[in-house]
Amino acid sequence: GNSVTQMEGPVTLSEEAFLTINCTYTATGYPSLFWYVQYPGEGLQLLLKATKADDKGSNKGFEATYRKETTSFHLEKGSVQVSDSAVYFCALIKSQDAGGTSYGKLTFGQGTILTVHP
Amino acid sequence: EPEVTQTPSHQVTQMGQEVILRCVPISNHLYFYWYRQILGQKVEFLVSFYNNEISEKSEIFDDQFSVERPDGSNFTLKIRSTKLEDSAMYFCASRGQGPYGYTFGSGTRLTVV
Repeated sequence: GNSVTQMEGPVTLSEEAFLTINCTYTATGYPSLFWYVQYPGEGLQLLLKATKADDKGSNKGFEATYRKETTSFHLEKGSVQVSDSAVYFCALIKSQDAGGTSYGKLTFGQGTILTVHP
Repeated sequence: EPEVTQTPSHQVTQMGQEVILRCVPISNHLYFYWYRQILGQKVEFLVSFYNNEISEKSEIFDDQFSVERPDGSNFTLKIRSTKLEDSAMYFCASRGQGPYGYTFGSGTRLTVV
């Protein structure tokens, strides 16, 4: 079946440090890949997405590139801020379910807690 | 911006009791979902709902669980006889056409004692 594996957390960084959160996946076919973020006390928000190999998703200074050859979708940010402190989830949707009403089930990684100190 | 609203935000219940978790999805969305996250573990799919019926469910979603869309706006998850291991954060989500427009609610933290 499908699965997503994220690097173990928590991750603690100083402000303006470089961030990488690793994500690898196992899926048949060509999934679409996502990063979701959960700020304290809030729901899951889509941070960025990529729908095919070599696509780069980006938002709010975060980037991730869909690497089919390494089945990875690592999240990066060049200079983190205190306000980036949150839990980050990598996720996929299996694309070839298209056409059925089951289309769209998300498979999540275990989440990575990021804490950024001033 | 449209939101998915979940109530209550926290619920404590005794083992064996029934609970109903409520969600108001975005009004023009077509697909509805429940996910749960046991503390410290990954977010897990429970069930998807489309055209007034369950379209897919996971092994977790056994006979103790049911979903309803009773009035065209609310979407509920019922757990008939709660167990300690049902303690988790439950997220409702909805989306329109296409796989990318997921909107999640803020979750209901269920504690079974």
